[in-house]
Amino acid sequence: AQSVTQLDSHVSVSEGTPVLLRCNYSSSYSPSLFWYVQHPNKGLQLLLKYTSAATLVKGINGFEAEFKKSETSFHLTKPSAHMSDAAEYFCVVTGAGSYQLTFGKGTKLSVIP
Amino acid sequence: SAVISQKPSRDICQRGTSLTIQCQVDSQVTMMFWYRQQPGQSLTLIATANQGSEATYESGFVIDKFPISRPNLTFSTLTVSNMSPEDSSIYLCSVQDIGADNQPQHFGDGTRLSIL
Repeated sequence: AQSVTQLDSHVSVSEGTPVLLRCNYSSSYSPSLFWYVQHPNKGLQLLLKYTSAATLVKGINGFEAEFKKSETSFHLTKPSAHMSDAAEYFCVVTGAGSYQLTFGKGTKLSVIP
Repeated sequence: SAVISQKPSRDICQRGTSLTIQCQVDSQVTMMFWYRQQPGQSLTLIATANQGSEATYESGFVIDKFPISRPNLTFSTLTVSNMSPEDSSIYLCSVQDIGADNQPQHFGDGTRLSIL
């Protein structure tokens, strides 16, 4: 079984400042981890994925995430926020070889001009 | 990645009626799934759409309420039957190809459904 905890339901940053969205997971297997973004009135878009290769994963739009097994964390970061980053972000875990996705509750990112 | 089209993108329906949502993919995919996202919530898996056989439903979801079809490897439908206001949600289809490396799922834009 696996679970995901997104530690902040809402994060607000100023444009041009760093973004940190926190995610902790638990899994009985070697997990695969994903971050998805959902803009208003849109579906989910894959930002990045970790599947047991490099622990620092680079994604689209300047986002990256670091897999830390000792801390069971997979936090999402971006050096400089842009207005277009305002959206809902979901951390997702799945077990090895499984299609069953477990979603976090989501973090809403607001970017202040 | 695959391009996924969902129709309709949104609808407003009367209680007691049914609505069929379509999901079309531009390439053949192994797995297709249907999710529900209730207002302000995360996603919950409804079922896996199996090509040529009955869908596999998750706990809390039944075929009579959410019949699913998947006639081929590029198309699936989800019907929300006998709708009530509690069915007001976003319904999303996703697809996945099974590979060696836990391929991610890709999502359509969703169908935003409101029941009056």
